[in-house]
Amino acid sequence: TQLLEQSPQFLSIQEGENLTVYCNSSSVFSSLQWYRQEPGEGPVLLVTVVTGGEVKKLKRLTFQFGDARKDSSLHITAAQPGDTGLYLCAGATPGNKLVFGAGTILRVKS
Amino acid sequence: DAMVIQNPRYQVTQFGKPVTLSCSQTLNHNVMYWYQQKSSQAPKLLFHYYDKDFNNEADTPDNFQSRRPNTSFCFLDIRSPGLGDAAMYLCATSRDRDRGLEQYFGPGTRLTVT
Repeated sequence: TQLLEQSPQFLSIQEGENLTVYCNSSSVFSSLQWYRQEPGEGPVLLVTVVTGGEVKKLKRLTFQFGDARKDSSLHITAAQPGDTGLYLCAGATPGNKLVFGAGTILRVKS
Repeated sequence: DAMVIQNPRYQVTQFGKPVTLSCSQTLNHNVMYWYQQKSSQAPKLLFHYYDKDFNNEADTPDNFQSRRPNTSFCFLDIRSPGLGDAAMYLCATSRDRDRGLEQYFGPGTRLTVT
């Protein structure tokens, strides 16, 4: 069974601070996706990373896929209250079934 | 806009009373997934349809069933809801089953069991 460990579980920071969320596994994933979910809504895809060592940027968000494709990180620069939400990493397994990490609840205080 | 639609957004049912949740998609995707998500936890895959082919997860209780009458619609039936089945139920679609293809999620149906 492929598992993804995500940390930290909770993060409460002030507006303007930087943060990093980590997603680790002992298994290799062919691709890894990051989602953001707001309360009462479905997850919204932020990015998909597929190549070991890949770095993708989405405005203030930087996503990195580890060289061995076993880990990934999400870095947010100068966090804003609008970044508040549940961040989920997910790895694709055969049949494109997603294995999700436990999620990181981010709260950005103004 | 093409999208994944779930109805209703909120559903209240009584303990043991069958309930059906609905999902429709305008993306014409081959694959439709049902996930269960409990408060602030990760979504857990219940089953998926690849076209008309039903694929159940090994640990999905028999109490949960699904139907896909056509490409656009997929239903989640809970035959005898228990208090532990209260959760958000998410429907998602994917163009195909190739690994790494994007999954598009609906807004979810929050189920309350009284």
